[in-house]
Amino acid sequence: NAGVMQNPRHLVRRRGQEARLRCSPVKGHSHVYWYRQLPEEGLKFMVYLQKENIIDESGMPKERFSAEFPKEGPSILRIQQVVRGDSAAYFCASSVTENTEAFFGQGTRLTVV
Amino acid sequence: AQSVTQPDIHITVSEGASLELRCNYSYGATPYLFWYVQSPGQGLQLLLKYFSGDTLVQGIKGFEAEFKRSQSSFNLRKPSVHWSDAAEYFCAVGATNAGKSTFGDGTTLTVKP
Repeated sequence: NAGVMQNPRHLVRRRGQEARLRCSPVKGHSHVYWYRQLPEEGLKFMVYLQKENIIDESGMPKERFSAEFPKEGPSILRIQQVVRGDSAAYFCASSVTENTEAFFGQGTRLTVV
Repeated sequence: AQSVTQPDIHITVSEGASLELRCNYSYGATPYLFWYVQSPGQGLQLLLKYFSGDTLVQGIKGFEAEFKRSQSSFNLRKPSVHWSDAAEYFCAVGATNAGKSTFGDGTTLTVKP
């Protein structure tokens, strides 16, 4: 069984460009979570989605960041007009229900130059 | 809101020695509790979890953790550390949603030969 798949694993963007991070959850999982890990820090929750719905975006920056989990296809975390401070590892996790543990992907390491 | 404290930023132990990593949390009820391990440049692997029931939980790779409600703690232990255990360890707490967790800042484990 494939786990949570994230791509790309590494992404380099120039300041002002857009970054699109993709996450395919474990087959059968309909709950997706995005986390950000800044250098030398723990993970910080960003957003929780179910198919076609954003359930909790309390950790998302108010501007430039958006997330979706369409009916078909992977979940996408989109960062517009990236800045140096967006450089981080972004992790996606998925679970069967909200009362079961989430499994993490390998992450996408975003570098803004 | 819940919070997690991992008091030890860095721990060094000799191979074969016992290990205990501390985790304290703040939450009004019994939370979902997790320990994850992360190797450099990698994703997070779930070591063990506590949802309810027996307060001593067994995980993978010979790890165990004990939930102590009176101390709001969930310390991770291993009787004999192997060099391959060198990594960063994160304690995490979920409130009403097991996938939406608050992470500690991590403890880096170094294993001396």
